[in-house]
This record gives sequence, C-alpha cells and structure tokens, in this order.
Amino acid sequence: DGGITQSPKYLFRKEGQNVTLSCEQNLNHDAMYWYRQDPGQGLRLIYYSQIVNDFQKGDIAEGYSVSREKKESFPLTVTSAQKNPTAFYLCASSIDRAGGLGIQYFGAGTRLSVL
Amino acid sequence: GENVEQHPSTLSVQEGDSAVIKCTYSDSASNYFPWYKQELGKRPQLIIDIRSNVGEKKDQRIAVTLNKTAKHFSLHITETQPEDSAVYFCAASGAGGSYIPTFGRGTSLIVHP
Repeated sequence: DGGITQSPKYLFRKEGQNVTLSCEQNLNHDAMYWYRQDPGQGLRLIYYSQIVNDFQKGDIAEGYSVSREKKESFPLTVTSAQKNPTAFYLCASSIDRAGGLGIQYFGAGTRLSVL
Repeated sequence: GENVEQHPSTLSVQEGDSAVIKCTYSDSASNYFPWYKQELGKRPQLIIDIRSNVGEKKDQRIAVTLNKTAKHFSLHITETQPEDSAVYFCAASGAGGSYIPTFGRGTSLIVHP
C-alpha cells in the first residue's frame, strides 16, 4: 500500500521515555522526510535525509533524532527532551535528482500520545 | 527561507458550488507548486501541481493558477462533491535547486450534500 510503511499506527509514551517511530520504503527513493502534523499547523519538517548516512535538521528538530543507515529506512526517535510530543507523525520519501521535483509520497502516519 | 501562507483555514460550501483556496509564497526563486489532499484518517496525496513556466493547469474538476508577479497560486475545485471534503495543503519549492517543500497550514474543505 503506497510503498512507504510506518509503524506502529498508534504509540504511547511515558514521561522521560524515548520512543522510536519506524519508516520503511521500497520505492528506491533517495530522499526521506519526517513531518509533524498538529491541528491548524500544517506539515512541519523535523528532519530530512537525501542520502544514506547523512541527514539535515528541519524547522522543528529539537527533541528528535534520526538515522539513515539504509536507503530504505529512516527511523525517528522522539526523545525525552521533546516536551510536547503528542502529534501525528508522517514520514515521506521522494526522488532526489534532477526532474524529481520532490513529489512527496507519504506513509499512513503514527499517532503519538503521552500517557 | 521560504514562507507559505494559505487561506482560508476552513471553507464550507454546498455540493455543486465552486471552492477556491489561495496560497502566497515569499521566495521569488521557487518554481514548483504542488497541492496535496488529505482525507480524514488518510495520508496526504498529490492531486495537482504547477511549474513556474505555466500559468494554469487543469485536471477534470480541479485547476491551479499561478501568478508569479504577485507570488500567489490558487486551487480551484468546480462542481464540488461530498468526497472532495478533506484538508488541502499547498506547497512551494525549487529555490536554489532544492525541492524540499515548504507547506502551507492547510485548508479544511467541507462540502455539504
């Protein structure tokens, strides 16, 4: 379904806990992204990666960390430093070469709540 | 960096009416403007896009117009149907050769039967 898979669908975090959201794609896309979606806030970029073993901060990276050890995988860790983690998290991928235009292919999302 | 403003935040129309959503962008070097539709509980999906060398693009009941001078672009939906109800996001990218999109805050379109 769509070639990009996020898990879990729902996640609950206890105070002081780090949690990791999974994102896997089989589209052979170069670039991958993490967005946070809050009501009325649109899609805000947390981190992105255009190549394996390299990633860049987006607009709201504080309290989050990522890794890109494989082209297919881009996990996001929500650390205890993120004081307001409750949100819907979307992973996306895109072709990252001339003519690719950065068209975003989204996963189905993970809804994170704080216990 | 790029900044994209989107209006209105909520739009309510009767079935069969037209709907227009407007976005403005700040970086005149942006050259690619996609629109994404997110139905309730689903992932956003690209529905139409336009590049800066084109003023208008149509696909059945939806169209997008671009005014480069004024740095704004709009989504037009004609003959709206209940299944058009969704959140619509505009985006801008392409400045400096980067296609990482900057999204607007979204418009919740409600089509009443």
